[in-house]
Amino acid sequence: GAVVSQHPSWVICKSGTSVKIECRSLDFQATTMFWYRQFPKQSLMLMATSNEGSKATYEQGVEKDKFLINHASLTLSTLTVTSAHPEDSSFYICSADSGEKLFFGSGTQLSVL
Amino acid sequence: QKEVEQNSGPLSVPEGAIASLNCTYSDRGSQSFFWYRQYSGKSPELIMFIYSNGDKEDGRFTAQLNKASQYVSLLIRDSQPSDSATYLCAVDVSGTYKYIFGTGTRLKVLA
Repeated sequence: GAVVSQHPSWVICKSGTSVKIECRSLDFQATTMFWYRQFPKQSLMLMATSNEGSKATYEQGVEKDKFLINHASLTLSTLTVTSAHPEDSSFYICSADSGEKLFFGSGTQLSVL
Repeated sequence: QKEVEQNSGPLSVPEGAIASLNCTYSDRGSQSFFWYRQYSGKSPELIMFIYSNGDKEDGRFTAQLNKASQYVSLLIRDSQPSDSATYLCAVDVSGTYKYIFGTGTRLKVLA
């Protein structure tokens, strides 16, 4: 099956710092990628839709200046959590649309101290 | 507001039994339906996808789609303890590139 690589898997950072998460589709081109966050025992919450070569579309209530998304190529999207705070601690997951199916990265567990 | 609904469970079945997971959706224009399995602390893993009415079988898994009634189900035959996980139903939002996920059903297969 198609592979989506997400890096890093774990990150611990101090409050006020910025963290960048990368999402790569390894064996297909993804015009559209999605970013989700998930709190323990809750479902995926879509944060934004990332389209190659254009600005991301954010869901209601998601601060675009805090969660910067860049979809620079058909195989790479990045999410930067700027000035992270403890309430940003969560499991962040990307997914890439192959045109037929949606594949997920392995997720990034972010802990902000 | 498009919705996808699942019973949160837990659904407990004995080892070797058939587990039946159900999902209903509100968007009549949806065309693509997916079942994902998610273990605690891990990312969702695609189990099945179905686009047409009827049944689709893959090994121990069968996906069933009924667009008229707007439900999609997943059957797991010969359930194993390793099948214990949360199963997420996902549906495309018609006219967009987005997908909506249900809250997931927690399945427990008892040894």
